[in-house]
Amino acid sequence: SQQGEEDPQALSIQEGENATMNCSYKTSINNLQWYRQNSGRGLVHLILIRSNEREKHSGRLRVTLDTSKKSSSLLITASRAADTASYFCAGYNTNAGKSTFGDGTTLTVKP
Amino acid sequence: EAQVTQNPRYLITVTGKKLTVTCSQNMNHEYMSWYRQDPGLGLRQIYYSMNVEVTDKGDVPEGYKVSRKEKRNFPLILESPSPNQTSLYFCASSPHLGTSGGLTGELFFGEGSRLTVL
Repeated sequence: SQQGEEDPQALSIQEGENATMNCSYKTSINNLQWYRQNSGRGLVHLILIRSNEREKHSGRLRVTLDTSKKSSSLLITASRAADTASYFCAGYNTNAGKSTFGDGTTLTVKP
Repeated sequence: EAQVTQNPRYLITVTGKKLTVTCSQNMNHEYMSWYRQDPGLGLRQIYYSMNVEVTDKGDVPEGYKVSRKEKRNFPLILESPSPNQTSLYFCASSPHLGTSGGLTGELFFGEGSRLTVL
């Protein structure tokens, strides 16, 4: 099974609203990344937050990381219909040399 | 344009007929990896490679082989495909973190190869 678990599995909101997705992971990580996947397409890297960081911003994206709770959240502000996609978190461990993905949150933004 | 290219994008085959899915990246990345994506199971790593001639098993390597003879290419081989290998496959690559070594883990993905085994 995947290390990460996203919550909720599916989220439907209106355009202009904020979307918050949560991710929990089980093992030690060096950084955590969020990816976006449009239906049937490849994943695209959105943002990376290192284990010694607590919050990071990039445009309309805000990511938080709480290593004590082994959790992260992705906030998309002022959502647009074009944000409709699946979003995955991935915890990266340097020693293991790999990223382990969660099951994803499917976001639908209604115009 | 920096990219990871997979071929074929779509393939329908029959049980037991050997096939190869090619993957090529033009970013000079050391690290390459194969994942499969199945509904309800997320992305699972099949094999990965830290550099030329260095490959290692991921979480679900059974039924697959890989090779890394050149830095840019990392083909996935299904010697005798079975229906449970019907899936969406992704190749990904990642750069080293400069001369200090180590990886950031940021992955660059191909567009995927949808494989159906009848």
